[in-house]
Amino acid sequence: AQSVTQLGSHVSVSEGALVLLRCNYSSSVPPYLFWYVQYPNQGLQLLLKYTTGATLVKGINGFEAEFKKSETSFHLTKPSAHMSDAAEYFCAVAGYNKLIFGAGTRLAVHP
Amino acid sequence: GAVVSQHPSWVICKSGTSVKIECRSLDFQATTMFWYRQFPKQSLMLMATSNEGSKATYEQGVEKDKFLINHASLTLSTLTVTSAHPEDSSFYICSATWGGGKDGYTFGSGTRLTVV
Repeated sequence: AQSVTQLGSHVSVSEGALVLLRCNYSSSVPPYLFWYVQYPNQGLQLLLKYTTGATLVKGINGFEAEFKKSETSFHLTKPSAHMSDAAEYFCAVAGYNKLIFGAGTRLAVHP
Repeated sequence: GAVVSQHPSWVICKSGTSVKIECRSLDFQATTMFWYRQFPKQSLMLMATSNEGSKATYEQGVEKDKFLINHASLTLSTLTVTSAHPEDSSFYICSATWGGGKDGYTFGSGTRLTVV
């Protein structure tokens, strides 16, 4: 069975600072991993995904994530936070015909 | 590409009435659609999975007679909240996929249901 753990329900950074959102997964098969962003009262928007191939995945809005099999991690990073990055972020792993989500991390960006 | 349209975006209804939420895949055929419920400041809770032309598969604890799901075509799924009560007030989100797994999942914009 697959599962996802997001470390830190709230992360606060200064504008311009590095963003690091942590995600660890558990999967008995090679995982397909996703990061989604959710703005208030909206659905989820795909930031990036890892399926196979290159372990460093680049997504939209300057985000990237690195798949590390040895650490069972898929952390999301962005070199320089922008105010517009404030949102809820969800890590997910594809299970059998469905997505399994982590609990989410709320990112706050302050001036 | 891969756009999912969900309507309405918000709805207020009286207790005891039924509400229908639509989820449409606009530019692809969705082999599978999913319905989620999200409580404030929480993650998404999968309610049910539906495949075109077959009965939905409900997650444990979800009342299938209260949350009726119909997936009549490859581009449309509906969720009907029957005899709604205030505790059904929530944010409902649909998702669709054309293959699942690495093909990814596209989400609708969500429906805020308030039962008064």
